[in-house]
Amino acid sequence: DTGVSQDPRHKITKRGQNVTFRCDPISEHNRLYWYRQTLGQGPEFLTYFQNEAQLEKSRLLSDRFSAERPKGSFSTLEIQRTEQGDSAMYLCASSLGTLEQYFGPGTRLTVT
Amino acid sequence: TQLLEQSPQFLSIQEGENLTVYCNSSSVFSSLQWYRQEPGEGPVLLVTVVTGGEVKKLKRLTFQFGDARKDSSLHITAAQPGDTGLYLCAPTEAGANNLFFGTGTRLTVIP
Repeated sequence: DTGVSQDPRHKITKRGQNVTFRCDPISEHNRLYWYRQTLGQGPEFLTYFQNEAQLEKSRLLSDRFSAERPKGSFSTLEIQRTEQGDSAMYLCASSLGTLEQYFGPGTRLTVT
Repeated sequence: TQLLEQSPQFLSIQEGENLTVYCNSSSVFSSLQWYRQEPGEGPVLLVTVVTGGEVKKLKRLTFQFGDARKDSSLHITAAQPGDTGLYLCAPTEAGANNLFFGTGTRLTVIP
């Protein structure tokens, strides 16, 4: 049984570049969530999918951020024109119709 | 807007000691989850509590949900170095789809 996986684990990019992260949830889970975590803080909710539908987006998710889950399985999170303030750990979680969310290892983004 | 407080923010203890960390809010929650997170990794789910007054045990860890479902505590007996990590509480309100995390308690257990 595999848990939630995320790729890449680490990403260093220059300001202004676009980056894309991938999340593969636990296979039977219909819900998928993205969170962002900065140093010294708990994870903050960004967005949530039920199957392929994006049902909720946080105010934290600016226009430069877009997330997709095209076939209701894996998801991608893209950040366009990255800024230094985007540096954070991006966490993906999945659940099966409940709020018991299981997290992946995260993608650590550093914008230089 | 939820206001969630976890205390203490930092805790450093010797191996074998007992400790309790707290998660408090003025809001009533439908459920609450505790996670442990190690540096560079995602949070790992420890327990979910749902009923006011509920107590759950996971080996040396005891979790309690307050009677009014506004607070929770985590007690660790005979702490071990492997317990070191960031302990996060994440309550949910009725009808909410996402978790709201506190800033956590960073526990260090010294061998």
